[in-house]
Amino acid sequence: DAGVTQSPTHLIKTRGQQVTLRCSPISGHKSVSWYQQVLGQGPQFIFQYYEKEERGRGNFPDRFSARQFPNYSSELNVNALLLGDSALYLCASSRLPAGTVVYEQYFGPGTRLTVT
Amino acid sequence: DAKTTQPPSMDCAEGRAANLPCNHSTISGNEYVYWYRQIHSQGPQYIIHGLKNNETNEMASLIITEDRKSSTLILPHATLRDTAVYYCIALNTGTASKLTFGTGTRLQVTL
Repeated sequence: DAGVTQSPTHLIKTRGQQVTLRCSPISGHKSVSWYQQVLGQGPQFIFQYYEKEERGRGNFPDRFSARQFPNYSSELNVNALLLGDSALYLCASSRLPAGTVVYEQYFGPGTRLTVT
Repeated sequence: DAKTTQPPSMDCAEGRAANLPCNHSTISGNEYVYWYRQIHSQGPQYIIHGLKNNETNEMASLIITEDRKSSTLILPHATLRDTAVYYCIALNTGTASKLTFGTGTRLQVTL
């Protein structure tokens, strides 16, 4: 089975622009989470979606938004890009949402966003 | 979720056991200890998790102290492909909506 896939792999944007990142979960997984990883730090949680509903939100500004589609794929949107948004954006899928005993998340390879 | 503390870096010779410590002195009774690793330029990979008892799978062993204030991840025969950043996370899976990663331990396996 294919793992979590993300597109694009790399992206360069200019300050003030908007970006959309895409994620396809593992087949059968209904939960998708997004993380931001700045160089030298661990991933930081942005959103979790389960069955198209937002189940959790991290400490990120409203410029960050996401949605999940009926096929469980997901998009992360970032508006009004800042230099500080340059990071690796990771998507993770799991069969079940948070709040369940076994919580194994499977991560994709990430999208490297560079804001200039 | 309880805060975890890990050494920033460790070295290990190939073929030897790598023992990665994690301190979680404020862990509560319903928080699990999870380990993930991140190989350069890849997404984090789940390794193992446990609550009280020691756990073993095909990748590693997890030893949790009796008071649950610390744990050790053991890679029994480290290889060069085990070079990665290892993250220890204390997680209440009943209520948590996210994984909280610290800065982890950078394990360098050498010949």
